[in-house]
Amino acid sequence: KNQVEQSPQSLIILEGKNCTLQCNYTVSPFSNLRWYKQDTGRGPVSLTIMTFSENTKSNGRYTATLDADTKQSSLHITASQLSDSASYICVVSDRGSTLGRLYFGRGTQLTVWP
Amino acid sequence: EADIYQTPRYLVIGTGKKITLECSQTMGHDKMYWYQQDPGMELHLIHYSYGVNSTEKGDLSSESTVSRIRTEHFPLTLESARPSHTSQYLCASSVGGPSADTQYFGPGTRLTVL
Repeated sequence: KNQVEQSPQSLIILEGKNCTLQCNYTVSPFSNLRWYKQDTGRGPVSLTIMTFSENTKSNGRYTATLDADTKQSSLHITASQLSDSASYICVVSDRGSTLGRLYFGRGTQLTVWP
Repeated sequence: EADIYQTPRYLVIGTGKKITLECSQTMGHDKMYWYQQDPGMELHLIHYSYGVNSTEKGDLSSESTVSRIRTEHFPLTLESARPSHTSQYLCASSVGGPSADTQYFGPGTRLTVL
């Protein structure tokens, strides 16, 4: 069964600290992996997208890694800010059909305290 | 910031009422989607459209219906709302299919059925 598991479920850190969020997936075949940020009461916004051949991708203070062999990805946030408080969702796409389909994780709820 | 809009943002109605959730995008995207999201849970695809006059049901069974008469407009209708329909509804659009292209999400409609 294709699944996307994220950990931790929730995380609280102090402003200025770094943190790493994890995503494990069993989706096969694999096309790409995206990380989305979803602020409370808003729709998700794409942060990064990685294909099979990419190991690392950065977007400002966000750095995503991908290990396609172990089917693991991480999202590292550097020097956290209060505005980083949000849910971070890992989304994996397969290529099993012509247009593919998406598998969503439940997200990690990050809270940054001053 | 994505040019995709949803109205209303919040809706509280009584059981048995007919409602329509509006979604429109100004990016000219062919592909549009409706997702349902409960707190702390993953997004579930309930409807999608790959172009005008094309609509399909998603992975999660839903009593709602959709229409796609214009490229920019993808409304979702519930003929008779029930408390079980209480949820957040997110609309999204993309240029290509979900595997190939990033989806841009609207801000969502929070529906409460009493």
